[in-house]
Order: sequence, then C-alpha cells, then structure tokens
Amino acid sequence: GEDVEQSLFLSVREGDSSVINCTYTDSSSTYLYWYKQEPGAGLQLLTYIFSNMDMKQDQRLTVLLNKKDKHLSLRIADTQTGDSAIYFCAESMAYKLSFGAGTTVTVRA
Amino acid sequence: NAGVTQTPKFRILKIGQSMTLQCAQDMNHNYMYWYRQDPGMGLKLIYYSVGAGITDKGEVPNGYNVSRSTTEDFPLRLELAAPSQTSVYFCASSYEGEGEQFFGPGTRLTVL
Repeated sequence: GEDVEQSLFLSVREGDSSVINCTYTDSSSTYLYWYKQEPGAGLQLLTYIFSNMDMKQDQRLTVLLNKKDKHLSLRIADTQTGDSAIYFCAESMAYKLSFGAGTTVTVRA
Repeated sequence: NAGVTQTPKFRILKIGQSMTLQCAQDMNHNYMYWYRQDPGMGLKLIYYSVGAGITDKGEVPNGYNVSRSTTEDFPLRLELAAPSQTSVYFCASSYEGEGEQFFGPGTRLTVL
C-alpha cells in the first residue's frame, strides 16, 4: 500500500471551504508538503509545513499537522473554480519525497 | 530561468523500441528525480541523482536507466519498451534533498 494516503475525490461548492486530509508514515519526516497539479501540467508547490509546527496559514490556505496521529490537512477557504485540481500530499524521506495518490478537487457553481 | 524542461511532450513507441526522455534544469540544483504518474496511483520514483556522476534506484527502476554526466542534464532511457511503461513521466529537481521539488511539464508516453 501507499506510505502516504489521501482520499481520492472531493466535491465542494464555490465559496465554501475545502478540507483535504492525508496520513503519512515516517515520523522522522522533516517537512510535509502540499502540491497542486492542474490538468496537463506538472506539480507545483502550494505550501509546506516544518515538522515542529502544528499549523501554518498562508492567505486562503491553512495547514494543520498532528504529529501524534501522523495526520496532515489542507484547508482552502472561499474555494474558487481555479482551485479545481489534483492535490498531492508528500512527506520528506532522506533524499526523496514520498507522494500520496492525490485528491481530485472539483469546485461546482 | 527556464526551470525544468522536458522533451518530448508526447511519444508513441512500439513494443521493443528504445528511447531517451530528456530532462534539463538551469537552477544549478544538485538533486534530480524521475517519476512516473499512472492514473489514480500518484507519483512513483523511478531513479534519482544527488549530484553529477551519482545515481540511485527509486521504487520502480526496472526497465529504465539513467545517467548524470552534468549537473544540468538527467536523461531517462527505456531500452525495450513495454505496454506497462505507458505513463506520464515527470522530471524534477531540488536544491536540497528534502526541499521543494520543481517539476517539468511531463512527457506522455504510449507503448503499443
């Protein structure tokens, strides 16, 4: 199975908040990342959190980290149609990142 | 800066053919990576490199080879293409091993 697990789909109404959840396995991960992939494009870094933090806020994005449960979440406030994409959670492991399968977020009017 | 560039964008191969996927970065990054992305499966690491002359296997290296003769370039070689290698291939680079990775636009490969 995957080392990093995410739900595969999320549908949200425009203007509502989206919450994407992720569980990871390596408690020694230094950083945890959220990447965004738009159709036909590569991944772009959305935000990240250092492992000694519980929360990070960046404009409409809020990342919450629960190290005890190895749970990471990304909240997008006031979701817009441009937020429709696949969102990947990733944990750092030595020289590499380990990615989840991605959550496809669909924003409906 | 062009960032990470990949060529070609698309390719169709016949079973048993060979090809090289090109990847280059102009950010002077030491670390470079090759991933494949299959539908609903996320990204799987094929090979990675921590610097010129140094490469190592990732999760799914079988059927692929890489070389890293310069800091800038990290080509991926498929010697005997198989239908199971139909996928989208992404190259990425980073300054630090656990740092932000910058991705290329991808190569969509179909093996028939």
